[in-house]
Amino acid sequence: DSGVTQTPKHLITATGQRVTLRCSPRSGDLSVYWYQQSLDQGLQFLIQYYNGEERAKGNILERFSAQQFPDLHSELNLSSLELGDSALYFCASSSPDRGAEAFFGQGTRLTVV
Amino acid sequence: DQQVKQNSPSLSVQEGRISILNCDYTNSMFDYFLWYKKYPAEGPTFLISISSIKDKNEDGRFTVFLNKSAKHLSLHIVPSQPGDSAVYFCAVSNTGNQFYFGTGTSLTVIP
Repeated sequence: DSGVTQTPKHLITATGQRVTLRCSPRSGDLSVYWYQQSLDQGLQFLIQYYNGEERAKGNILERFSAQQFPDLHSELNLSSLELGDSALYFCASSSPDRGAEAFFGQGTRLTVV
Repeated sequence: DQQVKQNSPSLSVQEGRISILNCDYTNSMFDYFLWYKKYPAEGPTFLISISSIKDKNEDGRFTVFLNKSAKHLSLHIVPSQPGDSAVYFCAVSNTGNQFYFGTGTSLTVIP
């Protein structure tokens, strides 16, 4: 158990809809990262938050947004969903003062139909 | 822009032999290098790492080698076991910030 919790595990929704994915980081970790994995491809970095503030942005679409709340949990909002958004979405957390590794949740599998 | 490349999508190795997985990165500013293992329908799990001040780090059957001049990272697994069959991702980091991952190498260890 990595200590990172993602909900829901599975999500099926229709095109054009909006969904919210939730991540609770390991206790005490200040950084949260979001990644997308499509069709057994690599992990595409979407965005990083550190202690509530956006720290780095990767290949995140404008239809997607994220935030990190004061209790350090994070949400990834995906809107105007398209079929191509179907993927596994992973959240990871880390704190440099606790080691340089990031720890991943089990992921949310999003299916857009 | 791809910061990290794993040029071999798949690798098959006989049980008991050595598995060597390779990774290249583009930017010398990264100072921490990691390997993750992923089983289907699970999140990646941290396997082993190395900082830029070292060229080798060993943990049991797993050894990571870093060649900074070549910007090349490799993972050696010896002896390989069937339970090692998984997708392996290499990652680079700026001291625990901004982790970038390769596309993964699917390792199959044949009994």
